[in-house]
Amino acid sequence: GQQLNQSPQSMFIQEGEDVSMNCTSSSIFNTWLWYKQDPGEGPVLLIALYKAGELTSNGRLTAQFGITRKDSFLNISASIPSDVGIYFCAGRNEKLTFGTGTRLTIIP
Amino acid sequence: NAGVTQTPKFQVLKTGQSMTLQCAQDMNHNSMYWYRQDPGMGLRLIYYSASEGTTDKGEVPNGYNVSRLNKREFSLRLESAAPSQTSVYFCASRYTPGQGERNTQYFGPGTRLTVL
Repeated sequence: GQQLNQSPQSMFIQEGEDVSMNCTSSSIFNTWLWYKQDPGEGPVLLIALYKAGELTSNGRLTAQFGITRKDSFLNISASIPSDVGIYFCAGRNEKLTFGTGTRLTIIP
Repeated sequence: NAGVTQTPKFQVLKTGQSMTLQCAQDMNHNSMYWYRQDPGMGLRLIYYSASEGTTDKGEVPNGYNVSRLNKREFSLRLESAAPSQTSVYFCASRYTPGQGERNTQYFGPGTRLTVL
């Protein structure tokens, strides 16, 4: 089955730094979604993107739906300790296809 | 609203045993899904139910069966558990396709299954 290429696999940053991660696919998607998963929990939706070129913000998070409909990125500005977790992108046509995740760690 | 609930949270089985994972949602969603998540991988779709009374295979259906008992409940059954089925299982639900912004999936907290 298809999976999205998500990078980087992991990030180690200091509190206050900005973060950027992205997903690419060989296929076009109609919707791009970004989820965050905390340990022992299910994924929680952060941002949903429905149109090519769309740029959407949710607090310190900003995500964009690529013009080609084959990619998306997520930026987090001024990271804080509660940003720690695994971030997943997901593309959807009929069903969701998930990326492999980006694990974000904040180092003291 | 409790959202999407799953039981049990944890389960240990021996190879060959059977069990059913339960999922329920109270958001009046039409579609429900079962995923598995393995280390270093994203979620992979096992089965889904687009509406009450219908079920379809996803990406990795072998070794599983599902039942859409009613609009609220969607169960996943392992008839003869194998070590390869050790994973974390997530149930999800969403509104009917085509309803714009509400067209997103909401996940349960997961069931961590170990098969010895």
